[in-house]
Amino acid sequence: DTGVSQDPRHKITKRGQNVTFRCDPISEHNRLYWYRQTLGQGPEFLTYFQNEAQLEKSRLLSDRFSAERPKGSFSTLEIQRTEQGDSAMYLCASSLGDYSYEQYFGPGTRLTVT
Amino acid sequence: KQEVTQIPAALSVPEGENLVLNCSFTDSAIYNLQWFRQDPGKGLTSLLLIQSSQREQTSGRLNASLDKSSGRSTLYIAASQPGDSATYLCAVKVQTGANNLFFGTGTRLTVIP
Repeated sequence: DTGVSQDPRHKITKRGQNVTFRCDPISEHNRLYWYRQTLGQGPEFLTYFQNEAQLEKSRLLSDRFSAERPKGSFSTLEIQRTEQGDSAMYLCASSLGDYSYEQYFGPGTRLTVT
Repeated sequence: KQEVTQIPAALSVPEGENLVLNCSFTDSAIYNLQWFRQDPGKGLTSLLLIQSSQREQTSGRLNASLDKSSGRSTLYIAASQPGDSATYLCAVKVQTGANNLFFGTGTRLTVIP
């Protein structure tokens, strides 16, 4: 098992374009989380899935953001009509369950909106 | 809402010194607390996980303690090395809602050779 992977690692896009990121969790993990980290800040929770069900979204997740996890495996995070304020590191994490289970993080996707 | 604070925001020490990083949180209803390391422009590397029922965890030169009732944790790094230079983040896993992690803003550590 190689851990949580994310693709792409870096993305540069122009304002107004749509972008999509992918996260592949550790294979047996049923919980998948997305976080966003801006410069100089700690990561902030965006949304999470239990299997294929998206169970909670934070207020940070505007209508331009959508996330999916078809078949409870990999997940995608799409940002439509990107804005410069979307520039950040997008981190994915997975865990074997809820409660006290540890979350394992991927390397992140760094988005730059010009 | 849970708030996590890390002090100091930045720390510079000479190689070989022992040091302590501090983390405080406002809501003691947590499952666990994790310390992470983050190198510039990179993702998070988990260092230590302390469950709410535990008082401390050790890994090599690192020792983390947890006092849940007072909302405090410390990360002790012994015999610091230049390779320890990074940002250290603490995060608590809340017992409500998504059981997501709440992060502090980190302590940026520089170890001077």
